[in-house]
Amino acid sequence: QKEVEQNSGPLSVPEGAIASLNCTYSDRGSQSFFWYRQYSGKSPELIMSIYSNGDKEDGRFTAQLNKASQYVSLLIRDSQPSDSATYLCAVRPYNNNDMRFGAGTRLTVKP
Amino acid sequence: ETGVTQTPRHLVMGMTNKKSLKCEQHLGHNAMYWYKQSAKKPLELMFVYSLEERVENNSVPSRFSPECPNSSHLFLHLHTLQPEDSALYLCASSQIQGYEQYFGPGTRLTVT
Repeated sequence: QKEVEQNSGPLSVPEGAIASLNCTYSDRGSQSFFWYRQYSGKSPELIMSIYSNGDKEDGRFTAQLNKASQYVSLLIRDSQPSDSATYLCAVRPYNNNDMRFGAGTRLTVKP
Repeated sequence: ETGVTQTPRHLVMGMTNKKSLKCEQHLGHNAMYWYKQSAKKPLELMFVYSLEERVENNSVPSRFSPECPNSSHLFLHLHTLQPEDSALYLCASSQIQGYEQYFGPGTRLTVT
């Protein structure tokens, strides 16, 4: 089982819709969770971090964490074509100071 | 700009060459990382330095040799690479190991 799993996509949504990106992780004791956005040919850019169960909102982005289900998601409201990118989920396992990255989900927002 | 710079941005080298990648962070962070990103694969952590000491080496071949002379600079020395080493090499830093990491723009390496 992979430590961090994401659907590779591509996920295609129309402009203005809500994009929902999902991530599951294997280490039940994980405490820290991160979402990165990576445009083609660029490096990953940190969007959000979340540490507690529930929702965390930042502008059009909402991260949702459910530790019991070992599931973290990212919602993008009012999706724009500029949101088209690969979104990477990263998890810091229990008793480990390093992040484990998923392979990423490619999102396309169509005008 | 994230405050992490990398040079060169692109590098083409033969299998017998020796080259070095440089990373510099202007964020006052105490941990620095080297990652390898190949197509369709997750980011692979290569090396971690915390307070200038190497704390992790994830079974990376010896043809990759890191160096961290101070908390702001990180190097990756390359020698006798293989074509399968062609990838995007990313440097990152964080305030403390395990916290939010900020990436540099990467070096696109091609080994011919």
